[in-house]
Amino acid sequence: GAGVSQSPSNKVTEKGKDVELRCDPISGHTALYWYRQRLGQGLEFLIYFQGNSAPDKSGLPSDRFSAERTGESVSTLTIQRTQQEDSAVYLCASSSGLVFVDTQYFGPGTRLTVL
Amino acid sequence: GENVEQHPSTLSVQEGDSAVIKCTYSDSASNYFPWYKQELGKRPQLIIDIRSNVGEKKDQRIAVTLNKTAKHFSLHITETQPEDSAVYFCAASGYQKVTFGTGTKLQVIP
Repeated sequence: GAGVSQSPSNKVTEKGKDVELRCDPISGHTALYWYRQRLGQGLEFLIYFQGNSAPDKSGLPSDRFSAERTGESVSTLTIQRTQQEDSAVYLCASSSGLVFVDTQYFGPGTRLTVL
Repeated sequence: GENVEQHPSTLSVQEGDSAVIKCTYSDSASNYFPWYKQELGKRPQLIIDIRSNVGEKKDQRIAVTLNKTAKHFSLHITETQPEDSAVYFCAASGYQKVTFGTGTKLQVIP
């Protein structure tokens, strides 16, 4: 079946503008994760959704970042008042594990550039 | 929380030689340890994984070993090829948590 998809693939925005990034997980996957990856760096955990449970927001870097997910479907990551340090690739991943984390399947990412 | 350390950060090997990447973790409750390969400009992709009830797993040229007592696990790539060049990430997963290592950039020199 289809893998994880993300849109847009690239986003260029001006400092101070809001952006919304979208993730479509693999159908049936209850868990969804957002990561940030700066150029040449590792994966920085942002937020985790598991089914209808309250999300784990412990990785969000500031209150400018927020994310939503309706049920077990699409998720959106919103960054308000973007700053240049927000420039990175934002990766989404989904997995089928209900409680314990299982194999994560990554989307292609959204490359965000803040001018 | 969980802390995963990965070494080395960069690794260069001659084609045909073996490469070993090591990770340590801190949370004894972690029970699933995947390894991801990320080629330049692409998404991370799972290459092998191991669960806590197993000490070793092999898939062709790739193997992973796990020492639960010492809380470390390693990725072994034998007979390396230029297409193995990439960044490799380890991860430790448990109850609703996954923590990634900082990555190892592997360069296989033809």
